[in-house]
Amino acid sequence: AQTVTQSQPEMSVQEAETVTLSCTYDTSESDYYLFWYKQPPSRQMILVIRQEAYKQQNATENRFSVNFQKAAKSFSLKISDSQLGDAAMYFCAYRRTNTGNQFYFGTGTSLTVIP
Amino acid sequence: ETGVTQSPTHLIKTRGQQVTLRCSSQSGHNTVSWYQQALGQGPQFIFQYYREEENGRGNFPPRFSGLQFPNYSSELNVNALELDDSALYLCASSFWVAGVNEQFFGPGTRLTVL
Repeated sequence: AQTVTQSQPEMSVQEAETVTLSCTYDTSESDYYLFWYKQPPSRQMILVIRQEAYKQQNATENRFSVNFQKAAKSFSLKISDSQLGDAAMYFCAYRRTNTGNQFYFGTGTSLTVIP
Repeated sequence: ETGVTQSPTHLIKTRGQQVTLRCSSQSGHNTVSWYQQALGQGPQFIFQYYREEENGRGNFPPRFSGLQFPNYSSELNVNALELDDSALYLCASSFWVAGVNEQFFGPGTRLTVL
C-alpha cells in the first residue's frame, strides 16, 4: 500500500525567507505523480505544484519548487520569498498512474509565516 | 475559487442517522472523488465516480455510498452514522484523461455526529 509521510507537523518562517517542507513516500510503482496541496484556513484545497515521476527535472512554479529524489522516495517543497498568504496547511500527495483521482495524502504540515 | 461547491457547510447528526452530502462540480468534469478528513489528519480517499459509475474505492465500509448525476452534481450518503464519522468531507472533481488531471476541491462539509 502507498503511504505518504510528512514528519514536520508545524513549521514557521520569517516573511521573505525560504522554508522547506519534507515529504517521503513508499511505493513499489515506477511511474506515479506527486503533488503539494495548500489548504488555507478557509479549507479549500489548492494545487501548489506537481511532479511526474518519470521526469528527472524538478518542477517549479514561481516561488515554489520541489526537490524530487526518486531513489530516496523523497519529495520536498521549497517556498522562496515567503509571504503572509503562504500561511496554511500543506499536504503532500501521491497518485498512481491511471487510477483516476485516488490520491494518498500525508498528515500535513502547518506553516506559519512571521511578519 | 475552484468552481466546486458543497452543501451544506456544516451538519450535526446523531449516531445511527443517515446523511446526504452534496457536491457541484465544474461543468464538463467527468470524475468526482470524495475524501474524509478527520481533525488533524490528511484527507482519506472514500471513492471515485467516473461517468456516473463507481470507479475506485478506498478502505470504507458499504454504508458509505455515492451517486453522480449527468448535471455534474454528486452525492455522498452515509448510513448508520457512527461517532468516528465526524470529519470534514471533501469532494474533488476533474476531467479525467490518461495522465495528470488537475483535481479541483470543494470547501468541504463539516459533519459532527453526536
